[in-house]
Amino acid sequence: DAKTTQPNSMESNEEEPVHLPCNHSTISGTDYIHWYRQLPSQGPEYVIHGLTSNVNNRMASLAIAEDRKSSTLILHRATLRDAAVYYCILFGGATNKLIFGTGTLLAVQP
Amino acid sequence: GAVVSQHPSWVICKSGTSVKIECRSLDFQATTMFWYRQFPKQSLMLMATSNEGSKATYEQGVEKDKFLINHASLTLSTLTVTSAHPEDSSFYICSATDPYRVFREQYFGPGTRLTVT
Repeated sequence: DAKTTQPNSMESNEEEPVHLPCNHSTISGTDYIHWYRQLPSQGPEYVIHGLTSNVNNRMASLAIAEDRKSSTLILHRATLRDAAVYYCILFGGATNKLIFGTGTLLAVQP
Repeated sequence: GAVVSQHPSWVICKSGTSVKIECRSLDFQATTMFWYRQFPKQSLMLMATSNEGSKATYEQGVEKDKFLINHASLTLSTLTVTSAHPEDSSFYICSATDPYRVFREQYFGPGTRLTVT
């Protein structure tokens, strides 16, 4: 399985933008980049995914580098409820399996 | 979005007993469900893939005789922890995919916290 590398933790202030980076230098052409987040004591929640182009949805934006070896999840205005562990996962091929790495623990300060 | 439920949300059992955890997809039919385990301050570890009407596929290192998985219908998968021991205490999470959604994002249940005393 292609691996991703994320910082262990990041901090942000409330109502400021947050950029969560992810490196995936061994990504294959058929791999989608998925982001999930897990709030404390809850199951993970789907955030966004993309293949080559930047993507926007109601939760976040995903910026994908032209060579696809890295991506950035953008929360436009962080709230206290965005404090969670964010996982960047490569997903594709014949399997439906999601393999979670260590993720980035995002702390949001009021 | 799609909803996946788990029952119970938490359970305490004595060492040596068995515990069954249910995972249901509430508004879609899931041919495939997944079971994860998460220890405190660690990431999710995939245990097995549960396929409706067939045997589950277990990840390397997961004891299939200890963690029995049954996926008898398109909306229900169960995980039974047999002869539970304190080291089985963990947060168990299931997920499901809607086969009619092209990009196959997974919907996760809220998790079941198991404590074995």
